[in-house]
Amino acid sequence: DIQLTQSPSSMSASLGDRVSLTCQSSQGIGNYLSWYQHKPGKPPKPMIYYATNLADGVPSRFSGSRSGSDYSLTISSLESEDTAIYYCLQYDEYPWTFGGGTKLELK
Amino acid sequence: EVQLVESGGGLVQPGRSLKLSCVASGFTFSNYGMNWIRQAPGKGLEWVAYISSGSSYIYYAETVKGRFTISRDNAKNTLYLQMTSLRSEDTALYYCARTTDYYVMDAWGQGASVTVSS
Repeated sequence: DIQLTQSPSSMSASLGDRVSLTCQSSQGIGNYLSWYQHKPGKPPKPMIYYATNLADGVPSRFSGSRSGSDYSLTISSLESEDTAIYYCLQYDEYPWTFGGGTKLELK
Repeated sequence: EVQLVESGGGLVQPGRSLKLSCVASGFTFSNYGMNWIRQAPGKGLEWVAYISSGSSYIYYAETVKGRFTISRDNAKNTLYLQMTSLRSEDTALYYCARTTDYYVMDAWGQGASVTVSS
């Protein structure tokens, strides 16, 4: 199975900060990677798909990028509502696999 | 409004079976592939199973293969997950999720809680 390693596992940042979360794949998955935001008591919400495409309704401060087997989710200016756990997901092949998640908190 | 509502969760003894349902509304259910995803207490998300719109393609995580069966009834707008030989490590909140043509899970239910314990 394809392994996704997310880093850091947790982080804190201040309002207005530029934040980048990373997801590394154990093998090539092309651009078949998405990002999900998960808040307590709510179902996950898609943020980015196909590595760089913004999902419907997602604010433009979110963006996705890829460099080889490294994928990033960037928030250009952190807002309080962005605190959550973020998961990457590869859907290049079954079984789909999630990364371990990055918990993003406010400093 | 797109809605997915899971049911059928509960407390079950190890080795027993349980069947989850996910009723869809607000969209043409038969046009979409569907997934089950779970989250164990204090753990991350784990993809469990996928079924294509017409049930032609079905895939499972290795952790559930041979024990869980995903199915759907498009006439009833309902997705199922039959779980057998349940183990304590199957304890989790189980979500159903709609999958778009771009493999985005864009609609989720609120989850059904399954606890496997004696």
